[in-house]
Amino acid sequence: DARVTQTPRHKVTEMGQEVTMRCQPILGHNTVFWYRQTMMQGLELLAYFRNRAPLDDSGMPKDRFSAEMPDATLATLKIQPSEPRDSAVYFCASGFSRDFNNEQFFGPGTRLTVL
Amino acid sequence: QKEVEQNSGPLSVPEGAIASLNCTYSDRVSQSFFWYRQYSGKSPELIMSIYSNGDKEDGRFTAQLNKASQYVSLLIRDSQPSDSATYLCAVNHYGGATNKLIFGTGTLLAVQP
Repeated sequence: DARVTQTPRHKVTEMGQEVTMRCQPILGHNTVFWYRQTMMQGLELLAYFRNRAPLDDSGMPKDRFSAEMPDATLATLKIQPSEPRDSAVYFCASGFSRDFNNEQFFGPGTRLTVL
Repeated sequence: QKEVEQNSGPLSVPEGAIASLNCTYSDRVSQSFFWYRQYSGKSPELIMSIYSNGDKEDGRFTAQLNKASQYVSLLIRDSQPSDSATYLCAVNHYGGATNKLIFGTGTLLAVQP
């Protein structure tokens, strides 16, 4: 059955290291979203793409975070250099956005711990 | 004022009762609304979407929307312990090239056996 996949599921790294998270959206979906979830802030939108074009990355710290969608089957979120405050669960979601319909389906998430 | 507000709970209900989860939003032009369920340690799962004023029923779930009052709710009938989770309300922000969901912080529901 169709679902969003994310890799890795867990990542432990040291401060200053580069982290790359990957997402495969559901085939046929035209939008991909990256979220970060923490206990303190809840679910925050970091960036999103429609038809592979970046539409909004205002929620993302620009100096260290970058998001790309090199092809329709792969979205990436990169942190360089990572910091302890980046520790969170990062979710990718995809959907078929049309007018007001914005149903999004979430992947299992990447749990990131930066030491 | 937050764009989407929910009571964090926990909301505790006995098994078999009706659980009522509430959400208010600030953007008057929002047109679509969603409820997600998130079990501890898992990802959010879409359970209901609603676009028009009134009620929408799906099994034991009923979503209610009142755009004039900027209020959306989720009723869970015959609550089961397996319904214990955090319920996230999401409101669509649509305009120009923007089409994104704004999430509330969620309400933790605990169904007591």
